[in-house]
Amino acid sequence: DVKVTQSSRYLVKRTGEKVFLECVQDMDHENMFWYRQDPGLGLRLIYFSYDVKMKEKGDIPEGYSVSREKKERFSLILESASTNQTSMYLCASSSPDRGLNSPLHFGNGTRLTVT
Amino acid sequence: AQSVAQPEDQVNVAEGNPLTVKCTYSVSGNPYLFWYVQYPNRGLQFLLKYITGDNLVKGSYGFEAEFNKSQTSFHLKKPSALVSDSALYFCAVRRPGGSYIPTFGRGTSLIVHP
Repeated sequence: DVKVTQSSRYLVKRTGEKVFLECVQDMDHENMFWYRQDPGLGLRLIYFSYDVKMKEKGDIPEGYSVSREKKERFSLILESASTNQTSMYLCASSSPDRGLNSPLHFGNGTRLTVT
Repeated sequence: AQSVAQPEDQVNVAEGNPLTVKCTYSVSGNPYLFWYVQYPNRGLQFLLKYITGDNLVKGSYGFEAEFNKSQTSFHLKKPSALVSDSALYFCAVRRPGGSYIPTFGRGTSLIVHP
């Protein structure tokens, strides 16, 4: 089974701090995703990476950046955390080998609170 | 552009009764459709998918979904609901020939009452 591991389940940070959310997958997947989940808004894509050092902006990239230095690891960075970034963050991966048939595999999420 | 609508924020059903969670989509061409489930404080788990073939797709935990091209719908169903089915359900669509990025609905909260 694919395992996607997010390093923290809960984080509390202060406004203005630089925040790193880490995600590691163990199935050699090329594609990795960062989503933000808020009540009533569903999942919104922040960034997508289809290969090492490659990234694409999603629907809501403002205030975020990402890093993909190794295939298995995809980091989400909040350069200067703000209270409106309080949310649940979900990492996912998928393989393009099976084309568009391949479902996404999600981590358990990181609930970030910015105070 | 592709889109997905889940018209119900919440569905309530009694244990043992059949359940339906609705999903409609808008996409050019034939869609690839997915259902995911999210239990409290967990990430999303893949339930089932429709790519081509039989319109009735069977998935995990006794769930199935019916693809209806004329109504552009992909409703999730289960003949007999369990209290443990209570969770958040997401429908997603990908466009053939498009990117690997799926479009998700806003989610439907299913509550199964004992």
